[in-house]
Amino acid sequence: GDSVTQMEGPVTLSEEAFLTINCTYTATGYPSLFWYVQYPGEGLQLLLKATKADDKGSNKGFEATYRKETTSFHLEKGSVQVSDSAVYFCALSPKAAGNKLTFGGGTRVLVKP
Amino acid sequence: DTAVSQTPKYLVTQMGNDKSIKCEQNLGHDTMYWYKQDSKKFLKIMFSYNNKELIINETVPNRFSPKSPDKAHLNLHINSLELGDSAVYFCASTPSDRQNTEAFFGQGTRLTVV
Repeated sequence: GDSVTQMEGPVTLSEEAFLTINCTYTATGYPSLFWYVQYPGEGLQLLLKATKADDKGSNKGFEATYRKETTSFHLEKGSVQVSDSAVYFCALSPKAAGNKLTFGGGTRVLVKP
Repeated sequence: DTAVSQTPKYLVTQMGNDKSIKCEQNLGHDTMYWYKQDSKKFLKIMFSYNNKELIINETVPNRFSPKSPDKAHLNLHINSLELGDSAVYFCASTPSDRQNTEAFFGQGTRLTVV
């Protein structure tokens, strides 16, 4: 079945550091790929998405590129802020699954001033 | 204006009880979902309804029964609660059941079974 694997956290960084969270997936066909973010005490919010190979999703300084050849969708941000502290989830949605999201295990990111 | 709202936010109950969690969305979306997040933050889909019709039913015990009185509401009823049901339950909605559309999540209901 479909699956998403992402690096375990917590990832602890200083402000203005570079952030990378690795995400790889297994799926039949070409799913859509997403990054969702969960701030403390809140629900998930879409951060960015990519729907086909080589697409780059970007939002709030975060970027991720859909790499079909490596089945990856790594999240990056060049300079993190304390407000980026959250749990980040990589997810996929196959083409024929009623828009069902399959999530990775989540990566907690802590940014210290 | 909360787009996807769930009630209650916290629910503490004893084993064996029956409880319900309510979800409403005011986005005009056709499709609604229930996801379960366990203590390790792992998220998994439970159910999905499109225009009041069940379209996804993952391997979930029969004690869990979703009910969609209209397309803006998807409630989750749980019978005979067990300790392992303790989790955060998230409701979500999308414009349709087509791929690529953003899912909007509620704030979650933290269920604790004691």
